[in-house]
Amino acid sequence: EAQVTQNPRYLITVTGKKLTVTCSQNMNHEYMSWYRQDPGLGLRQIYYSMNVEVTDKGDVPEGYKVSRKEKRNFPLILESPSPNQTSLYFCASSRNRGFGYTFGSGTRLTVV
Amino acid sequence: GESVGLHLPTLSVQEGDNSIINCAYSNSASDYFIWYKQESGKGPQFIIDIRSNMDKRQGQRVTVLLNKTVKHLSLQIAATQPGDSAVYFCAENMGNFNKFYFGSGTKLNVKP
Repeated sequence: EAQVTQNPRYLITVTGKKLTVTCSQNMNHEYMSWYRQDPGLGLRQIYYSMNVEVTDKGDVPEGYKVSRKEKRNFPLILESPSPNQTSLYFCASSRNRGFGYTFGSGTRLTVV
Repeated sequence: GESVGLHLPTLSVQEGDNSIINCAYSNSASDYFIWYKQESGKGPQFIIDIRSNMDKRQGQRVTVLLNKTVKHLSLQIAATQPGDSAVYFCAENMGNFNKFYFGSGTKLNVKP
């Protein structure tokens, strides 16, 4: 089944403790992206990648890092999480420019 | 389920009726548009797309209309069913690096 898989689904962590949210897609898509979703603010793009080793900032990149060492994987790294990063995170992939994104099921992150 | 937004505009329709969900987009240079459906606890799911060289596109029970003059997009759902209850987002793409901007969403409630 064609899908975007992200883990974990739920995560509670403490301020300052580094964490990684993994994302993998099995559709051989070129583009991948991370979004966060907050009440009243909608979906906002954090980082995106156009191909292996090609990444760029989205609209809200502060406090996040990403890497794209392989085409299928696009992990999101929070080096020192803070409570304002408590949010619902979605990874998504797209075949190419001009095509829509397929989204994962989401990761609910709480930073205390 | 998880809340995807507070104080979202809500549309309530009777099962079997047609639904129309509207979206105003922001950039006249946007050339590609998508409607997504998000059910509680799930990631956004692609419904239908339209490119700026078209003004109407039909899918199964859904139709998207694009009015570039007033920068307006609408989603029409025919014979609305309880399974259509969800939050619906429009997304616009200005063609650069597959970057999408999402609207804040409309919640559709289908009454049996």
